[in-house]
Amino acid sequence: DIQMTQSPSSLSASVGDRVTITCQASQDISNFLHWYHQKPGKAPKLLIFDGSNLETGVPSRFSGSGAGTEFTFTITNLQPEDVGTYHCQQYNNLPFTFGPGTKVDIK
Amino acid sequence: QVQLVQSGAEVTKPGASVKVSCKVSGCTLTDLAVHWVRQAPGKGLEWMGGFDPEDAETIYAQKFQGRVTMTEDPSTDTASMELSSLTSEDTAVYFCATAKNRNTWYSFNSWGQGTLVTVSS
Repeated sequence: DIQMTQSPSSLSASVGDRVTITCQASQDISNFLHWYHQKPGKAPKLLIFDGSNLETGVPSRFSGSGAGTEFTFTITNLQPEDVGTYHCQQYNNLPFTFGPGTKVDIK
Repeated sequence: QVQLVQSGAEVTKPGASVKVSCKVSGCTLTDLAVHWVRQAPGKGLEWMGGFDPEDAETIYAQKFQGRVTMTEDPSTDTASMELSSLTSEDTAVYFCATAKNRNTWYSFNSWGQGTLVTVSS
């Protein structure tokens, strides 16, 4: 199975800040990576697909980049509604696997 | 807009089985590929399995092979997931999820609200 790691595991930032999360795969997954946002007690929501493509209706302050084994997710101009946990997911190989998540809150 | 509505919370005992259902609306089940993902308390997301439209078969994570059965009833647009031989390690919120269509079946755009399954003696 492909192992996914994320860093940091949690972070606290101020409204308006730029936030960066990294996701690393244990082997090359090309760009077969998604990013999800999960608010407490809710289901995840797909934000970025295929590594860098913004899902319809998702604000442009969210972005993704990377390929191979190293990926980056960025929020520019952090907003209060962005709190929650961010998960990466690879779909290059079965089983699909997720990173452990990065919890984001507001200072 | 695809909507997924899951059955309610379950409390069950070790060794028992549990079945969670997922009703699809806004689309027909045969246009989608429903998958199941679980999340133990305070933990990350774990993919359990789902329908692979490329091979027209249901696929399961090896971890759950022999213990999980995922079925679909097109007549009611309802997908179900049954997990047997439960232990406390199976206490989790179980989500059904699906893509917009079968072409991108590995992208989970729509999710159910989640069903809490508690395994306790």
